[in-house]
Amino acid sequence: EDQVTQSPEALRLQEGESSSLNCSYTVSGLRGLFWYRQDPGKGPEFLFTLYSAGEEKEKERLKATLTKKESFLHITAPKPEDSATYLCAVQTSGSRLTFGEGTQLTVNP
Amino acid sequence: NAGVTQTPKFQVLKTGQSMTLQCAQDMNHNSMYWYRQDPGMGLRLIYYSASEGTTDKGEVPNGYNVSRLNKREFSLRLESAAPSQTSVYFCASSPGTGAGGTQYFGPGTRLLVL
Repeated sequence: EDQVTQSPEALRLQEGESSSLNCSYTVSGLRGLFWYRQDPGKGPEFLFTLYSAGEEKEKERLKATLTKKESFLHITAPKPEDSATYLCAVQTSGSRLTFGEGTQLTVNP
Repeated sequence: NAGVTQTPKFQVLKTGQSMTLQCAQDMNHNSMYWYRQDPGMGLRLIYYSASEGTTDKGEVPNGYNVSRLNKREFSLRLESAAPSQTSVYFCASSPGTGAGGTQYFGPGTRLLVL
Protein backbone atom coordinates (compact mmCIF):
# COMPACT_ATOMS: atom_id res chain seq x y z
CA GLU A 1 0.00 0.00 0.00
CA ASP A 2 1.27 3.46 -0.95
CA GLN A 3 2.15 5.64 2.03
CA VAL A 4 2.93 9.34 2.24
CA THR A 5 4.17 11.06 5.40
CA GLN A 6 4.65 14.80 5.70
CA SER A 7 6.71 16.52 8.38
CA PRO A 8 6.55 18.57 10.40
CA GLU A 9 2.80 18.72 10.98
CA ALA A 10 3.10 22.44 11.70
CA LEU A 11 5.91 24.95 11.20
CA ARG A 12 6.11 28.52 12.40
CA LEU A 13 8.71 30.82 10.82
CA GLN A 14 9.66 34.45 11.04
CA GLU A 15 9.50 36.44 7.83
CA GLY A 16 12.76 35.87 5.96
CA GLU A 17 13.63 32.68 7.84
CA SER A 18 14.20 29.96 5.22
CA SER A 19 13.25 26.35 5.89
CA SER A 20 12.16 23.08 4.29
CA LEU A 21 9.10 20.84 4.41
CA ASN A 22 9.49 17.10 3.99
CA CYS A 23 7.40 14.51 2.16
CA SER A 24 8.58 10.92 2.51
CA TYR A 25 6.93 8.14 0.58
CA THR A 26 6.82 4.36 0.35
CA VAL A 27 5.57 3.28 -3.06
CA SER A 28 6.50 0.87 -5.80
CA GLY A 29 7.01 2.53 -9.15
CA LEU A 30 6.63 6.26 -8.63
CA ARG A 31 5.00 7.96 -11.62
CA GLY A 32 4.77 11.43 -10.14
CA LEU A 33 4.97 13.47 -6.94
CA PHE A 34 2.75 16.52 -6.60
CA TRP A 35 2.86 19.55 -4.31
CA TYR A 36 -0.22 21.63 -3.58
CA ARG A 37 -0.89 24.72 -1.48
CA GLN A 38 -4.18 25.00 0.41
CA ASP A 39 -5.43 28.20 2.03
CA PRO A 40 -8.05 28.00 4.81
CA GLY A 41 -11.52 27.40 3.41
CA LYS A 42 -10.29 26.87 -0.15
CA GLY A 43 -9.41 24.03 -2.46
CA PRO A 44 -5.84 22.82 -3.04
CA GLU A 45 -3.90 24.87 -5.58
CA PHE A 46 -1.41 23.02 -7.78
CA LEU A 47 2.25 24.01 -7.38
CA PHE A 48 4.61 21.38 -8.85
CA THR A 49 4.87 17.92 -10.37
CA LEU A 50 8.17 15.99 -10.09
CA TYR A 51 8.70 12.79 -12.05
CA SER A 52 12.18 11.43 -11.32
CA ALA A 53 14.91 11.51 -8.67
CA GLY A 54 17.15 14.53 -9.04
CA GLU A 55 14.47 16.70 -10.59
CA GLU A 56 13.97 20.22 -9.22
CA LYS A 57 11.33 22.87 -9.91
CA GLU A 58 11.06 26.47 -8.73
CA LYS A 59 8.35 29.07 -8.42
CA GLU A 60 9.03 32.38 -6.74
CA ARG A 61 10.26 31.57 -3.20
CA LEU A 62 9.47 27.84 -3.49
CA LYS A 63 11.74 25.09 -4.75
CA ALA A 64 10.75 21.42 -4.85
CA THR A 65 13.28 18.59 -5.05
CA LEU A 66 12.89 14.82 -5.35
CA THR A 67 14.96 11.81 -4.26
CA LYS A 68 14.09 8.13 -4.42
CA LYS A 69 12.49 8.22 -0.97
CA GLU A 70 11.41 11.79 -0.29
CA SER A 71 10.71 15.26 -1.59
CA PHE A 72 11.52 18.60 -0.04
CA LEU A 73 9.76 21.89 -0.48
CA HIS A 74 12.30 24.60 0.26
CA ILE A 75 10.97 28.04 1.15
CA THR A 76 13.49 30.84 0.78
CA ALA A 77 12.96 34.12 2.66
CA PRO A 78 9.25 33.44 3.25
CA LYS A 79 6.65 36.17 3.52
CA PRO A 80 3.41 36.15 5.56
CA GLU A 81 1.45 35.46 2.36
CA ASP A 82 3.23 32.09 2.11
CA SER A 83 1.27 30.95 5.16
CA ALA A 84 -0.87 27.96 4.11
CA THR A 85 -1.07 24.20 4.36
CA TYR A 86 1.20 22.44 1.89
CA LEU A 87 0.07 19.04 0.64
CA CYS A 88 2.13 16.33 -1.02
CA ALA A 89 0.70 13.49 -3.14
CA VAL A 90 2.19 10.55 -5.02
CA GLN A 91 1.02 8.53 -7.97
CA THR A 92 2.22 5.04 -8.83
CA SER A 93 1.71 3.14 -12.05
CA GLY A 94 -1.97 2.80 -12.89
CA SER A 95 -3.16 4.16 -9.57
CA ARG A 96 -4.84 7.18 -8.11
CA LEU A 97 -3.11 9.90 -6.10
CA THR A 98 -2.32 9.24 -2.43
CA PHE A 99 -2.16 12.41 -0.34
CA GLY A 100 -0.25 13.18 2.82
CA GLU A 101 -1.90 15.01 5.70
CA GLY A 102 -0.06 18.24 5.01
CA THR A 103 2.23 20.70 6.77
CA GLN A 104 0.61 23.84 8.16
CA LEU A 105 3.03 26.73 7.63
CA THR A 106 2.71 30.05 9.47
CA VAL A 107 5.03 32.94 8.61
CA ASN A 108 4.99 35.77 11.12
CA PRO A 109 5.84 39.34 10.07
CA ASN B 1 -11.85 30.76 -17.06
CA ALA B 2 -13.74 29.68 -13.95
CA GLY B 3 -11.80 26.39 -13.70
CA VAL B 4 -13.65 23.95 -11.43
CA THR B 5 -16.85 25.16 -9.81
CA GLN B 6 -18.90 23.46 -7.09
CA THR B 7 -22.37 24.01 -5.70
CA PRO B 8 -23.50 24.44 -3.02
CA LYS B 9 -20.75 25.98 -0.89
CA PHE B 10 -22.38 24.97 2.40
CA GLN B 11 -25.12 22.52 3.30
CA VAL B 12 -26.69 21.24 6.50
CA LEU B 13 -28.61 17.96 6.32
CA LYS B 14 -30.47 15.82 8.78
CA THR B 15 -29.62 12.13 9.04
CA GLY B 16 -31.41 10.22 6.29
CA GLN B 17 -31.86 13.15 3.93
CA SER B 18 -30.49 13.02 0.41
CA MET B 19 -28.65 15.59 -1.65
CA THR B 20 -26.55 16.01 -4.78
CA LEU B 21 -23.31 17.95 -4.96
CA GLN B 22 -22.67 19.50 -8.35
CA CYS B 23 -19.33 20.01 -10.07
CA ALA B 24 -18.45 21.52 -13.44
CA GLN B 25 -15.17 22.27 -15.21
CA ASP B 26 -14.51 24.48 -18.23
CA MET B 27 -10.97 23.29 -19.02
CA ASN B 28 -12.03 20.51 -21.41
CA HIS B 29 -10.49 17.94 -19.08
CA ASN B 30 -11.16 14.25 -19.54
CA SER B 31 -11.00 13.02 -15.94
CA MET B 32 -12.95 14.22 -12.93
CA TYR B 33 -12.78 13.24 -9.24
CA TRP B 34 -14.60 13.55 -5.95
CA TYR B 35 -12.60 13.70 -2.70
CA ARG B 36 -13.46 14.20 0.92
CA GLN B 37 -11.15 15.94 3.38
CA ASP B 38 -11.32 15.24 7.09
CA PRO B 39 -9.01 16.42 9.90
CA GLY B 40 -6.11 14.01 10.35
CA MET B 41 -7.10 11.92 7.31
CA GLY B 42 -5.90 13.91 4.33
CA LEU B 43 -7.73 13.92 1.02
CA ARG B 44 -9.40 10.60 0.19
CA LEU B 45 -10.80 9.67 -3.21
CA ILE B 46 -14.49 8.75 -3.25
CA TYR B 47 -15.12 8.18 -6.97
CA TYR B 48 -13.57 9.20 -10.23
CA SER B 49 -14.43 9.31 -13.89
CA ALA B 50 -11.47 8.68 -16.20
CA SER B 51 -13.47 9.66 -19.26
CA GLU B 52 -16.97 10.64 -20.25
CA GLY B 53 -19.29 7.69 -19.70
CA THR B 54 -17.13 5.84 -17.16
CA THR B 55 -16.97 5.92 -13.37
CA ASP B 56 -14.90 3.93 -10.86
CA LYS B 57 -14.75 3.55 -7.10
CA GLY B 58 -12.01 5.18 -5.11
CA GLU B 59 -10.85 4.56 -1.57
CA VAL B 60 -14.09 5.44 0.29
CA PRO B 61 -17.13 4.92 -2.03
CA ASN B 62 -19.65 3.52 0.46
CA GLY B 63 -22.75 5.69 0.87
CA TYR B 64 -22.13 7.67 -2.33
CA ASN B 65 -23.13 7.50 -5.99
CA VAL B 66 -21.85 9.53 -8.92
CA SER B 67 -22.96 10.53 -12.38
CA ARG B 68 -20.78 11.81 -15.21
CA LEU B 69 -23.48 13.85 -16.90
CA ASN B 70 -21.27 14.99 -19.78
CA LYS B 71 -17.63 15.94 -20.25
CA ARG B 72 -18.03 19.08 -18.13
CA GLU B 73 -20.17 17.86 -15.23
CA PHE B 74 -19.70 15.25 -12.50
CA SER B 75 -22.16 14.99 -9.61
CA LEU B 76 -21.95 13.24 -6.24
CA ARG B 77 -25.12 11.97 -4.56
CA LEU B 78 -25.72 11.05 -0.95
CA GLU B 79 -28.87 8.91 -0.89
CA SER B 80 -29.27 8.72 2.90
CA ALA B 81 -26.89 11.04 4.71
CA ALA B 82 -25.15 9.92 7.90
CA PRO B 83 -23.21 11.98 10.48
CA SER B 84 -20.02 10.17 9.33
CA GLN B 85 -20.43 11.94 6.00
CA THR B 86 -19.86 15.34 7.61
CA SER B 87 -16.83 16.57 5.73
CA VAL B 88 -15.50 18.98 3.14
CA TYR B 89 -15.98 17.66 -0.39
CA PHE B 90 -13.72 18.64 -3.25
CA CYS B 91 -14.19 18.06 -6.93
CA ALA B 92 -11.12 17.98 -9.19
CA SER B 93 -10.33 17.49 -12.86
CA SER B 94 -7.27 16.51 -14.88
CA PRO B 95 -6.45 16.53 -18.60
CA GLY B 96 -5.55 12.83 -18.92
CA THR B 97 -7.79 9.78 -19.09
CA GLY B 98 -6.40 7.90 -16.08
CA ALA B 99 -6.90 8.04 -12.35
CA GLY B 100 -3.99 10.36 -11.61
CA GLY B 101 -1.92 13.10 -13.12
CA THR B 102 -1.95 16.77 -12.22
CA GLN B 103 -5.37 17.58 -10.80
CA TYR B 104 -7.06 20.96 -10.42
CA PHE B 105 -9.44 21.44 -7.53
CA GLY B 106 -12.65 23.33 -6.95
CA PRO B 107 -13.37 25.49 -3.89
CA GLY B 108 -15.16 22.76 -1.94
CA THR B 109 -18.57 22.05 -0.40
CA ARG B 110 -18.81 22.02 3.38
CA LEU B 111 -21.40 19.48 4.52
CA LEU B 112 -22.73 19.02 8.04
CA VAL B 113 -24.99 16.05 8.75
CA LEU B 114 -26.89 16.29 12.02
